[in-house]
Amino acid sequence: GAVVSQHPSRVICKSGTSVKIECRSLDFQATTMFWYRQFPKQSLMLMATSNEGSKATYEQGVEKDKFLINHASLTLSTLTVTSAHPEDSSFYICSAWDTHYGYTFGSGTRLTVV
Amino acid sequence: DAKTTQPPSMDCAEGRAANLPCNHSTISGNEYVYWYRQIHSQGPQYIIHGLKNNETNEMASLIITEDRKSSTLILPHATLRDTAVYYCIVRPSNTGNQFYFGTGTSLTVIP
Repeated sequence: GAVVSQHPSRVICKSGTSVKIECRSLDFQATTMFWYRQFPKQSLMLMATSNEGSKATYEQGVEKDKFLINHASLTLSTLTVTSAHPEDSSFYICSAWDTHYGYTFGSGTRLTVV
Repeated sequence: DAKTTQPPSMDCAEGRAANLPCNHSTISGNEYVYWYRQIHSQGPQYIIHGLKNNETNEMASLIITEDRKSSTLILPHATLRDTAVYYCIVRPSNTGNQFYFGTGTSLTVIP
């Protein structure tokens, strides 16, 4: 089956720094990738949709200048949390879509900003 | 996408069938019912999906009512590893469009 690799699985960063999360589709090419954020005991909230080679589409209320998304190839999308603050601490999950496998989710990244 | 309603939590004895209900009374004719689950601190995992016929795979069965306004996910022999949050999502078929999650049902399988 399809596999989406997300890296790192856990990261701790200092307040004010930036952190990059990678999402790779390992055995298929993903036309579209999605980024979610999940706070404790809450559901997944869609942050943005990215298509290879074009600008990401952000959901209402998500700051595009804070959460930079790059989808430079059909197998790689990155999410950069810029100038991170403690309130950005969360579980970030990516998903990749293709016509054969549908939606496949990564294993998530636990971000802690101290 | 049509809205879904699920009970916030359920318990099930190990080895018994777990029946997870989902209401989707505003479902449109072209919308499928998808089920995913999320084990703690992991990404969501696809379980099953269907349009109007009942479906079965190695993980579960999906029963959709004739009017398609509700469905039930059945885990035939629940194990402790089935403890997770189960999400019922109604949306058009595999289009690659945005995929939104509701609040889901937290299933606890009890030894």
